[in-house]
Amino acid sequence: DSGVTQTPKHLITATGQRVTLRCSPRSGDLSVYWYQQSLDQGLQFLIQYYNGEERAKGNILERFSAQQFPDLHSELNLSSLELGDSALYFCASSLQSTGELFFGEGSRLTVL
Amino acid sequence: SQQGEEDPQALSIQEGENATMNCSYKTSINNLQWYRQNSGRGLVHLILIRSNEREKHSGRLRVTLDTSKKSSSLLITASRAADTASYFCATESGSGSRLTFGEGTQLTVNP
Repeated sequence: DSGVTQTPKHLITATGQRVTLRCSPRSGDLSVYWYQQSLDQGLQFLIQYYNGEERAKGNILERFSAQQFPDLHSELNLSSLELGDSALYFCASSLQSTGELFFGEGSRLTVL
Repeated sequence: SQQGEEDPQALSIQEGENATMNCSYKTSINNLQWYRQNSGRGLVHLILIRSNEREKHSGRLRVTLDTSKKSSSLLITASRAADTASYFCATESGSGSRLTFGEGTQLTVNP
């Protein structure tokens, strides 16, 4: 158990819909990262927050947004969903903004 | 875009044999990390090697780093069926933060 909690574990929705994925980092970790893993794209970095502020941005679509709240949990919002958004979405956390990442078990999103 | 590229993409060996996976990357790095992922599960950190280190050991794992060739290797000795998983290298560059992952090597250890 990494200490990182992601909900929901599985989510099935329709094209055009909006979903919110939630992540609770390890106790004490200030950095939260979001990654997308799909069969054809591998593991893609989406965005990183450090102590509530956006620190780095990767290949995150404009339809996607994220935030980190004062209690350090984070949410990833995916809107106007397309079939190609079906993937595993991972949250990871770390104490600082560098070094080893601790991954959650992921949220598997299926868009029908 | 992927920074690291693992080689081979898939590796199948017998229990007790050694498994070697390679990773190549493109830009200068602060550190390189190896992660393991069981099918459909979260990634688990295995080992981190800094850019000024050449070799590191952790249990049955041995990692080497050659910054002149921009490459790293992960050796798993005396493999076990439970080592069956995907193995990813990830690089950290610049001012830190994001890790960029390779495509992974799927290792199968046959009992």
